Amino acid sequence: GQNIDQPTEMTATEGAIVQINCTYQTSGFNGLFWYQQHAGEAPTFLSYNVLDGLEEKGRFSSFLSRSKGYSYLLLKELQMKDSASYLCAAPATSGTYKYIFGTGTRLKVLA
Amino acid sequence: SQTIHQWPATLVQPVGSPLSLECTVEGTSNPNLYWYRQAAGRGLQLLFYSVGIGQISSEVPQNLSASRPQDRQFILSSKKLLLSDSGFYLCAWSGRGGSQPQHFGDGTRLSIL
Repeated sequence: GQNIDQPTEMTATEGAIVQINCTYQTSGFNGLFWYQQHAGEAPTFLSYNVLDGLEEKGRFSSFLSRSKGYSYLLLKELQMKDSASYLCAAPATSGTYKYIFGTGTRLKVLA
Repeated sequence: SQTIHQWPATLVQPVGSPLSLECTVEGTSNPNLYWYRQAAGRGLQLLFYSVGIGQISSEVPQNLSASRPQDRQFILSSKKLLLSDSGFYLCAWSGRGGSQPQHFGDGTRLSIL
């Protein structure tokens, strides 16, 4: 079947580093996306991985291992404004325009 | 640059009333278009997607329907709303060809009384 799993909630301290994990099962593979969603707002695109390894983008990095069906989002130097839900998503099958989303990981950053 | 507009931002409707939510995209041609619903504290549920004018794929059987009368216009409708239709409705677009990120409108918060 097709499925995406993420932890429901995480808490971290301002200035720290946090890693949000995602495991996926899709029919074929054509990339994995991360989105940020603040409470009451729409999701915004953060990153896309299609090859194994780490992609760095400022304070945010995303890692992919296709053989393990695993990705993580790494947030460094956490700020209060990083408190949000982080959604992992992937095309349901290779070559499709239909995407499946995880239920999201709600990150709370404490002062 | 590309922009997506979705309206209204909030809507309160009685049970049994009709619904029309509209979404338009600017700055791109032939986008893929999507309607999602998000219940409070839950993930995104794909309702409909479209790869072209008049081409609609429905993912969940329900009393909602979607139409794409123009290339960059996507409409979500219902003839008779149910209490269970309450939620946060999001329109999104993506480019064609391979995996493309989705870009979301600001959403419509729909409450059914």
